[in-house]
Amino acid sequence: GQQVMQIPQYQHVQEGEDFTTYCNSSTTLSNIQWYKQRPGGHPVFLIQLVKSGEVKKQKRLTFQFGEAKKNSSLHITATQTTDVGTYFCAGQRDFNKFYFGSGTKLNVKP
Amino acid sequence: NAGVTQTPKFQVLKTGQSMTLQCAQDMNHEYMSWYRQDPGMGLRLIHYSVGAGITDQGEVPNGYNVSRSTTEDFPLRLLSAAPSQTSVYFCASSFGLLGSEAFFGQGTRLTVV
Repeated sequence: GQQVMQIPQYQHVQEGEDFTTYCNSSTTLSNIQWYKQRPGGHPVFLIQLVKSGEVKKQKRLTFQFGEAKKNSSLHITATQTTDVGTYFCAGQRDFNKFYFGSGTKLNVKP
Repeated sequence: NAGVTQTPKFQVLKTGQSMTLQCAQDMNHEYMSWYRQDPGMGLRLIHYSVGAGITDQGEVPNGYNVSRSTTEDFPLRLLSAAPSQTSVYFCASSFGLLGSEAFFGQGTRLTVV
């Protein structure tokens, strides 16, 4: 079964609106990574969070790791059409394995 | 630098046929893994390897075999293809084990009829 739950499954926004996707794990994670997959493409690494309560920013993207290291979020401010794609979180719990969320597919209407 | 190379990009198999999906990386990464991606299911780990000669099972290993004879190559074998194995397959590699960025191949779209 799914080790890491991710919501929502789909999100349609108007260009300029904000977007947030959430990941939750029932157990504590050692770290969490975020990936973006463009339509027809492969996942590409965005960022990694390691510390409890960590917040990182990349231009319009803000990533957070929860205090209990069981949840994480990705927030995009003022979406653009170039943000279209599926965003995945990947939580690491076991030493050798990452557990990917089911992904949030973002569609941005111009 | 080619990164992670997967072949073929597309494949159609008949039920019961066997085939090998190839994966090669030129970054001297120790850790390699295979995922399958199905709609609404995200990426599920099939098998992984922490170095040449060492492999282990992931979440959905049934119906798949792997081997790692060299650092560069990590082929995935389907011994007797089934329609349930229709999926997009991604190979990934990373430098280390804990918290290293994963580099993905372009994917193989497999259809089993």
